[in-house]
Amino acid sequence: DAGVIQSPRHEVTEMGQEVTLRCKPISGHDYLFWYRQTMMRGLELLIYFNNNVPIDDSGMPEDRFSAKMPNASFSTLKIQPSEPRDSAVYFCASRAIQKDNEQFFGPGTRLTVL
Amino acid sequence: SQQGEEDPQALSIQEGENATMNCSYKTSINNLQWYRQNSGRGLVHLILIRSNEREKHSGRLRVTLDTSKKSSSLLITASRAADTASYFCATALFSGGYNKLIFGAGTRLAVHP
Repeated sequence: DAGVIQSPRHEVTEMGQEVTLRCKPISGHDYLFWYRQTMMRGLELLIYFNNNVPIDDSGMPEDRFSAKMPNASFSTLKIQPSEPRDSAVYFCASRAIQKDNEQFFGPGTRLTVL
Repeated sequence: SQQGEEDPQALSIQEGENATMNCSYKTSINNLQWYRQNSGRGLVHLILIRSNEREKHSGRLRVTLDTSKKSSSLLITASRAADTASYFCATALFSGGYNKLIFGAGTRLAVHP
């Protein structure tokens, strides 16, 4: 299994631009999670999906952030417009319902907004 | 504030020594998990302990859970340079019909050869 795949691995953009982060979960996993990691705030859960349906988006910081999961093998996290304070590493994770809560993380996307 | 808080924030030891990291949390949990993160990488699941368990072992890892004190500890025995990483505890909370994980701030472990 290839594990959770994220793209791009690094993204540098200018303030005001739209940013789209992509994630492919492990095949057969029912849950998909988006996290953001910064030195100041640590690892924060932004949103998670169950069977492609958003369950809890209370961690999404602002309306500038949106996430979709159009099918079981693909999810996007979009920031529009981006701001310098959005600079962070964004992780996607997935898990199977039969495996307690063990989550499998992707390698992350390092976003820098100038 | 975060649900889980690790202590210490940073730990520096010599190879062969044991490393102990602690985690405290605030609310009732279903289970508690420990993850490792190598620099520039994603988190990797290490071990899970359920709320009705007190101790669990996996290789050189030993985890304890004290629900009365709302605390857990992770012990790495006979540490190796390859154990250098950040270690996070994560508490599983049942919310809205689903379990979600809340991560602590992590402990940065440096193991020197």
